[in-house]
Amino acid sequence: GAGVSQSPRYKVAKRGQDVALRCDPISGHVSLFWYQQALGQGPEFLTYFQNEAQLDKSGLPSDRFFAERPEGSVSTLKIQRTQQEDSAVYLCASSLDRGSPDTQYFGPGTRLTVL
Amino acid sequence: AQSVTQLGSHVSVSEGALVLLRCNYSSSVPPYLFWYVQYPNQGLQLLLKYTTGATLVKGINGFEAEFKKSETSFHLTKPSAHMSDAAEYFCAVSKAGNTPLVFGKGTRLSVIA
Repeated sequence: GAGVSQSPRYKVAKRGQDVALRCDPISGHVSLFWYQQALGQGPEFLTYFQNEAQLDKSGLPSDRFFAERPEGSVSTLKIQRTQQEDSAVYLCASSLDRGSPDTQYFGPGTRLTVL
Repeated sequence: AQSVTQLGSHVSVSEGALVLLRCNYSSSVPPYLFWYVQYPNQGLQLLLKYTTGATLVKGINGFEAEFKKSETSFHLTKPSAHMSDAAEYFCAVSKAGNTPLVFGKGTRLSVIA
């Protein structure tokens, strides 16, 4: 079956531009997570949803970052007024929530480069 | 707070040799532990996970890991390295429930022919 997909795979933005990154989770998966992976580092948690409810956004680095999942399926991570320090790979993961803890399945990521 | 330390940012082994990637964790609650592998330009793939029960966990591609509470460790091993094992490996910890993962910084494994 189809896995988690993310688009675009690569995004180049000029400093100050707004960007939107999309995540399509595995069909039927309840939980959706966003992580940020800087070059040479492990992924770091940004935010997560259970269905359409955003349960934790403590990892968002600033108020320029905003995420939504309005219908409990597709999610969008938006970054306003991008800065060079936002350059990273943004990973999305989803899980079925059958048990504790359920496996998180990761997408290929979106590599954002801010010039 | 939870944290993960992976000792060695880069490990190099010969093909056929033992693979040992080290992971130590810190957690105030009983942890759930994971190993993920990341190939270039791909997402993370779960190798194995420890939740409860047997402390020796077997995963895909011949990897296994042992949860040692007294040592707060969850080291990843494979008896015989294959060229296809060359990748980045991440250890992660989470609390109960479907909560966010806390990752280590990763260890890049190189396999020499």
